[in-house]
Amino acid sequence: SQTIHQWPATLVQPVGSPLSLECTVEGTSNPNLYWYRQAAGRGLQLLFYSVGIGQISSEVPQNLSASRPQDRQFILSSKKLLLSDSGFYLCAFGQGKDQPQHFGDGTRLSIL
Amino acid sequence: GQQLNQSPQSMFIQEGEDVSMNCTSSSIFNTWLWYKQDPGEGPVLLIALYKAGELTSNGRLTAQFGITRKDSFLNISASIPSDVGIYFCAGQGVIQGAQKLVFGQGTRLTINP
Repeated sequence: SQTIHQWPATLVQPVGSPLSLECTVEGTSNPNLYWYRQAAGRGLQLLFYSVGIGQISSEVPQNLSASRPQDRQFILSSKKLLLSDSGFYLCAFGQGKDQPQHFGDGTRLSIL
Repeated sequence: GQQLNQSPQSMFIQEGEDVSMNCTSSSIFNTWLWYKQDPGEGPVLLIALYKAGELTSNGRLTAQFGITRKDSFLNISASIPSDVGIYFCAGQGVIQGAQKLVFGQGTRLTINP
């Protein structure tokens, strides 16, 4: 079966520190991969998506970057975190045309 | 950016009552999805709709894809405490060359025992 894993589940980081959030997918190959951010009680905002290894598209200007070093690995990074980077980050994968996206359990990021 | 209009934003009901929520869009989507999100977790897919007019059930949940592909409703019958959470509708299609989701603002469901 297809599964998606995100870690860590929670993270507290100081302003100006680097960030690396990891997402891996199992049980599928060549998935579309997505990073979303969700503000408290709000909807999901698409940050990045990837249709293949090394292929990254950014949806909004921001302090974050994404990379896809392997087919089923998607990484969200920052060199220097800002207070405004706090939020709930979700990774998702989709397989095939019109197939639903499935989400990981998310990472709660708090910036101090 | 693009967003679906989801209503109501919140619902407060008694256990055992039926629930109805809906979403509308100005755009046509190939697929319409309903997700439920519990606090601190990622959204979980409840129902996927692929054909205009399609009516699909998943246990106590029923959803329909509008004939125009621009709207959908989700009904929950005989609500129970574990139905509490935030429900999101999402339209999926090719947007700017890639498969993407457009989400509604969510409906927060609270149930009084």
